[in-house]
Amino acid sequence: NAGVTQTPKFRVLKTGQSMTLLCAQDMNHEYMYWYRQDPGMGLRLIHYSVGEGTTAKGEVPDGYNVSRLKKQNFLLGLESAAPSQTSVYFCASRGVLPEAFFGQGTRLTVV
Amino acid sequence: TQLLEQSPQFLSIQEGENLTVYCNSSSVFSSLQWYRQEPGEGPVLLVTVVTGGEVKKLKRLTFQFGDARKDSSLHITAAQPGDTGLYLCAVTTGTASKLTFGTGTRLQVML
Repeated sequence: NAGVTQTPKFRVLKTGQSMTLLCAQDMNHEYMYWYRQDPGMGLRLIHYSVGEGTTAKGEVPDGYNVSRLKKQNFLLGLESAAPSQTSVYFCASRGVLPEAFFGQGTRLTVV
Repeated sequence: TQLLEQSPQFLSIQEGENLTVYCNSSSVFSSLQWYRQEPGEGPVLLVTVVTGGEVKKLKRLTFQFGDARKDSSLHITAAQPGDTGLYLCAVTTGTASKLTFGTGTRLQVML
């Protein structure tokens, strides 16, 4: 049982480049989330989804877009990367209970 | 303004000491969760508290939900190096769909 899988695990981008982070879950969960975590800090919510075909903004959505075309996948896109988006990105999913399950994270550096 | 404020931000103690960390808010919640995150990993759920005044124990960890369901505490007895990590509280809001984390407490337990 894989749980929540994030790809890629590491990435270095140049300023202005674009990329997509993929999150896949095999637990049939309705809710999925994207967070960013900066050094020494907690998790800040970027975007989330309450089901296939739905997305909603979190606390820090600017510069990011998301899509949930399939229930098991939640994609996070950066259209034009900036150094301020250097961070570790975590995806999470949950079912009807509050417990969230997290992926291993994607370490992104924008130079 | 953060929805959930945690204190202290950082705590460094010797093995065997006791400690308490806090999660505070001005809002009322239906439940609250505590997670622990180890370096290079995603957060993992420790406990969910639901009822005002509820106390839950997990080995040497004691969790309490405030009577008014606005705050929570985590007490660790006789801390061990394996307790080292980032402790995060979290709540669901917005018809239980949005999952928001606190600012985090980073604990270091030294031999």
